[in-house]
Amino acid sequence: AQSVTQPDIHITVSEGASLELRCNYSYGATPYLFWYVQSPGQGLQLLLKYFSGDTLVQGIKGFEAEFKRSQSSFNLRKPSVHWSDAAEYFCAVDSGGGADGLTFGKGTHLIIQP
Amino acid sequence: GAVVSQHPSRVICKSGTSVKIECRSLDFQATTMFWYRQFPKQSLMLMATSNEGSKATYEQGVEKDKFLINHASLTLSTLTVTSAHPEDSSFYICSARDPVGGGNEQYFGPGTRLTVT
Repeated sequence: AQSVTQPDIHITVSEGASLELRCNYSYGATPYLFWYVQSPGQGLQLLLKYFSGDTLVQGIKGFEAEFKRSQSSFNLRKPSVHWSDAAEYFCAVDSGGGADGLTFGKGTHLIIQP
Repeated sequence: GAVVSQHPSRVICKSGTSVKIECRSLDFQATTMFWYRQFPKQSLMLMATSNEGSKATYEQGVEKDKFLINHASLTLSTLTVTSAHPEDSSFYICSARDPVGGGNEQYFGPGTRLTVT
């Protein structure tokens, strides 16, 4: 069974600084990979996804992620964070080609310092 | 883009009663829908996979007699929490897969906050 690890439970970043959130997955082949953001009490918003092709994926709100097969990683990055980026971020994998539900990491809580 | 709605957004019920949550795909037909549960400050856990016209497939540890799932049409799946107890209080989120759109992405509803008193 696949698993997703987000090693950082909390991350604090100053506004304007760069951000990298880590995600590692465990699966025999290349799964479909996703990053979602969740504000308190809200549903999920898809930031970006990787299915195949170019390993550097651009998403919404200035986020990007890079798939590294050799490291089984799909880290999320943003060059300059804004206070509105404070939220919970979830990495997720789909190993069933859309037929199965997603497996989520435990999430990383992003705090933005003024 | 594909939109998924949930109703109600919040519900409070008394212990021992049943609650029904609806999940609708508004602009596409979803042959497969998924139900997730999220406890406070935790991640989402897949509860079950709902396929239109067939029985739902439940994840290990999820009681199928307690969480009744019906996917009677291509745009509607319902989750009924039967004989709810305080420990069932959680945030329930559904998602739907659009087979026409490639089928590789799930579209999530806004979630339903269930509080059992």
